[in-house]
Amino acid sequence: DAGVTQSPTHLIKTRGQQVTLRCSPKSGHDTVSWYQQALGQGPQFIFQYYEEEERQRGNFPDRFSGHQFPNYSSELNVNALLLGDSALYLCASSFAPNNEQFFGPGTRLTVL
Amino acid sequence: AQSVTQLDSQVPVFEEAPVELRCNYSSSVSVYLFWYVQYPNQGLQLLLKYLSGSTLVKGINGFEAEFNKSQTSFHLRKPSVHISDTAEYFCAVSDREGGGADGLTFGKGTHLIIQP
Repeated sequence: DAGVTQSPTHLIKTRGQQVTLRCSPKSGHDTVSWYQQALGQGPQFIFQYYEEEERQRGNFPDRFSGHQFPNYSSELNVNALLLGDSALYLCASSFAPNNEQFFGPGTRLTVL
Repeated sequence: AQSVTQLDSQVPVFEEAPVELRCNYSSSVSVYLFWYVQYPNQGLQLLLKYLSGSTLVKGINGFEAEFNKSQTSFHLRKPSVHISDTAEYFCAVSDREGGGADGLTFGKGTHLIIQP
């Protein structure tokens, strides 16, 4: 049974560019949440998708947007990248929004 | 508003010695507490959680934690550590029993370093 998978594993972008990160949830899960983990910090909640809609959002600007597809996979898009967006982006999936989350290995984004 | 303070950024311990990783929280509502582990280049894995009932919670890999409401603490312990326990450990608090994503607030993490 495959767990949560994320692609790509690493990504390097320059300031002002746009980036798309992808996540496939664990089999049987229908909810995907995204977190940003800056170096030396704990993960911070960005938003959660359920039934193809953004259900909840953390304290992140509109430059961060997402999408959930009918097969429950999800994308995180970040526009107008800033140096401060450099971080590990974690995807977590769960069966329904308020249940235990299972995390993927993350995508390391570096903004130069 | 909730917050989590992990008092040590790094904890070096000799192999087979006991370890305690400290976590204090603040919350104005019902609180549910979690410990996650992050191995190098991997995502987070749930070690254990406190939802209600017994204040001593046992988790995977021989870890346990004790919920202390009066001291607002949820310290993680293991009686004898192994090299494979080297990882980053995160304490988290939620106001939702299942630990739903939007309710999780994480601490900054404690790096457990096991020395041979």
